[in-house]
Amino acid sequence: DTAVSQTPKYLVTQMGNDKSIKCEQNLGHDTMYWYKQDSKKFLKIMFSYNNKELIINETVPNRFSPKSPDKAHLNLHINSLELGDSAVYFCASSRGHTLNTEAFFGQGTRLTVV
Amino acid sequence: AQSVTQLDSQVPVFEEAPVELRCNYSSSVSVYLFWYVQYPNQGLQLLLKYLSGSTLVKGINGFEAEFNKSQTSFHLRKPSVHISDTAEYFCAVESGKLTFGQGTILTVHP
Repeated sequence: DTAVSQTPKYLVTQMGNDKSIKCEQNLGHDTMYWYKQDSKKFLKIMFSYNNKELIINETVPNRFSPKSPDKAHLNLHINSLELGDSAVYFCASSRGHTLNTEAFFGQGTRLTVV
Repeated sequence: AQSVTQLDSQVPVFEEAPVELRCNYSSSVSVYLFWYVQYPNQGLQLLLKYLSGSTLVKGINGFEAEFNKSQTSFHLRKPSVHISDTAEYFCAVESGKLTFGQGTILTVHP
């Protein structure tokens, strides 16, 4: 009965490829996020969507494009993958668009670009 | 702009010993403060949070943290750790968006 689920859990791909990571939450939350955790374990927000609308868009290359078909899903599409994109990507959701309520995280997708 | 600094990247302790994981933050506005825990190969889960009120906050698994506004700190403590507390702990501050510290790896030895 997973609250926030991401697929795939592991993704190994070659430079230049295009890939997508899917995220779904069954908590009825209005807000979803994508975070990137780099090799030094530093977690940084990438995007935030509230009711399918983009509300936070940090300095992220245009190759990264989030898509929210409905408020239960926030997928991350990455074009022309680069070595530096290798990281663990976490999806999260919360009830509101300020996180003074708990954020629930997925298990992460470990992306390795070779 | 807000930032979070976790002063120790790794903290090794023996089982049943007390532990303190340090966190300092900077922000020009009022903030909410959180501690998250990440067990191996898992996502983050909330340990505790400070929103307002009492500066001593109790969380799950026997952890607590104290908000000190004058020192801009939110240190995490547990009086007696277990092997199962081995994990990475992230301090976070939120004032519009959530900003995480670099994480502290707590390793509990038997």
